[in-house]
Amino acid sequence: GNSVTQMEGPVTLSEEAFLTINCTYTATGYPSLFWYVQYPGEGLQLLLKATKADDKGSNKGFEATYRKETTSFHLEKGSVQVSDSAVYFCALSDRGDYKLSFGAGTTVTVRA
Amino acid sequence: DADVTQTPRNRITKTGKRIMLECSQTKGHDRMYWYRQDPGLGLRLIYYSFDVKDINKGEISDGYSVSRQAQAKFSLSLESAIPNQTALYFCATSVIQGKSDTQYFGPGTRLTVL
Repeated sequence: GNSVTQMEGPVTLSEEAFLTINCTYTATGYPSLFWYVQYPGEGLQLLLKATKADDKGSNKGFEATYRKETTSFHLEKGSVQVSDSAVYFCALSDRGDYKLSFGAGTTVTVRA
Repeated sequence: DADVTQTPRNRITKTGKRIMLECSQTKGHDRMYWYRQDPGLGLRLIYYSFDVKDINKGEISDGYSVSRQAQAKFSLSLESAIPNQTALYFCATSVIQGKSDTQYFGPGTRLTVL
């Protein structure tokens, strides 16, 4: 079956630090990959996505590259801000029925 | 106005009570989903519907039922609530675009079962 494993948190950083959240996946087919973000008290928002190998998704300074050879989709940001404090979820979508499988989420706190 | 709305946003109820959570969308999407979020477990799929006449169980459907009243409405019911159903519940919608299906989430309903 499909599954997603992401780095356990919580992660605490200072403003302007570099952020990496690791995500690896197991899939029976050729999935699409996503990062969702959940700000405090809100629902999930799509942060970025990639649909095929070597694609790079990017948004709001965040980037992630679809690595088929390592089955990974790590999220990175070069200089975080306090407003990036949130829970980040890695997810994959099976192209057969397009259902999403989520990782457990990583809580990131950025301190001024 | 939000594209995906959920009511109520917060609910406290007692064991054994029947509860309905409602979801409405203005995105015109055919596909709708119900998830629950528990700390450390991410989101788990309860039920999903690919159109008005299509209802499917997700990975944790026991104790839940759903109704797709129209393309824009998808309700989740707990027939007899129990404390381990205390969680944050999310509705989502999606439409296939090319080779991917991006889901859009509502703001969530926080349910507490005493």
